[in-house]
Amino acid sequence: DTGVSQNPRHKITKRGQNVTFRCDPISEHNRLYWYRQTLGQGPEFLTYFQNEAQLEKSRLLSDRFSAERPKGSFSTLEIQRTEQGDSAMYLCASSVRDRGLYEQYFGPGTRLTVT
Amino acid sequence: GNSVTQMEGPVTLSEEAFLTINCTYTATGYPSLFWYVQYPGEGLQLLLKATKADDKGSNKGFEATYRKETTSFHLEKGSVQVSDSAVYFCALSGQYTGGFKTIFGAGTRLFVKA
Repeated sequence: DTGVSQNPRHKITKRGQNVTFRCDPISEHNRLYWYRQTLGQGPEFLTYFQNEAQLEKSRLLSDRFSAERPKGSFSTLEIQRTEQGDSAMYLCASSVRDRGLYEQYFGPGTRLTVT
Repeated sequence: GNSVTQMEGPVTLSEEAFLTINCTYTATGYPSLFWYVQYPGEGLQLLLKATKADDKGSNKGFEATYRKETTSFHLEKGSVQVSDSAVYFCALSGQYTGGFKTIFGAGTRLFVKA
């Protein structure tokens, strides 16, 4: 399967702990995006990378959140000192320019539960 | 700013009924429009797309037409099946959304009864 993969699929953690999620995009996709989806809502943009450069961060991404894409391939999203409000599905997507359009392919998501 | 508004759910239909899920958008420039579907326990899948005015996207019996004059992209299907039960998201993306990030509506849950 050559789609976007995310690990872990589920994470339960206690408030105050740090967690890290990984996303492996489709190979040769130079753009990688992180979104957060809470229950009953559509995904909300968090940040995106073009190759290894992080080009935009949403104001939703507080200073407890950090994302990296060190070699322009996989990416990690770390949340420090987790809070119950961080409980959500974290989605990763990747894309490459094709005829002027960056069509995004989504991974299955990592569901975070903070207790 | 850019935004997407879609009809609230849940929508409950009987099998073989006609489906319409309304979607309107506000956007700078000329975005591309999408419908994504999320089946229970699964990730987002692109259902169909349209990249310019009057384009019609279609897939698996679903259709949506990019209407610039009404800023709409309503999803339709002539005869729904139980297997269509899912959450449907209308979305837009383009040069003016910043890095071509996707902006989603809140989603509409569809239940189809046998």
